[in-house]
Amino acid sequence: AQSVTQLDSHVSVSEGTPVLLRCNYSSSYSPSLFWYVQHPNKGLQLLLKYTSAATLVKGINGFEAEFKKSETSFHLTKPSAHMSDAAEYFCVVRPYNNNDMRFGAGTRLTVKP
Amino acid sequence: DAGVIQSPRHEVTEMGQEVTLRCKPISGHNSLFWYRQTMMRGLELLIYFNNNVPIDDSGMPEDRFSAKMPNASFSTLKIQPSEPRDSAVYFCASSLSMNTGELFFGEGSRLTVL
Repeated sequence: AQSVTQLDSHVSVSEGTPVLLRCNYSSSYSPSLFWYVQHPNKGLQLLLKYTSAATLVKGINGFEAEFKKSETSFHLTKPSAHMSDAAEYFCVVRPYNNNDMRFGAGTRLTVKP
Repeated sequence: DAGVIQSPRHEVTEMGQEVTLRCKPISGHNSLFWYRQTMMRGLELLIYFNNNVPIDDSGMPEDRFSAKMPNASFSTLKIQPSEPRDSAVYFCASSLSMNTGELFFGEGSRLTVL
């Protein structure tokens, strides 16, 4: 069975400093991995996805994530946080052979001025 | 382009009443998903359709919940009778196909059952 664990429920950074949101996954097969962002009172939006191509994936708004099979991790990073990045971020795993997408519990990112 | 459209955005009802949530997916998308989001349980997949056919409804919590997709541009999620524990935000999402994993979410329907 596949699952994801987001290691931090809340991350707080200052504007202009780096962002690191951590995600570990478990999957019996080669998974696809995603990061979604949810701003307050909005639906989720895809930030980026990994589907067994390049292990370093670039997404929208300057976010990146690196797939590390040896560590079963897919951490989300951004070099410099912006106030508009404040939101809830979800790591998602989907096995290759079905559409059972499993969402992590989410990490709330706060950006301080 | 219009995204996924959900209605109503907010619904407050009393226990025992019937609730119908509606969703219009993005034109051309063949797959549609219903999710429920609560503080306690996070995001849960309730059911998804491919080409208007229900593929997996194992996430539907009880027989009180039912979902239909009569055509490619419309889906409903119905709760009858509603209970306070059904209070949540219900999201509809669509995708080009079942296997892309790239979902486009609506803004959600916030349901409060008193």
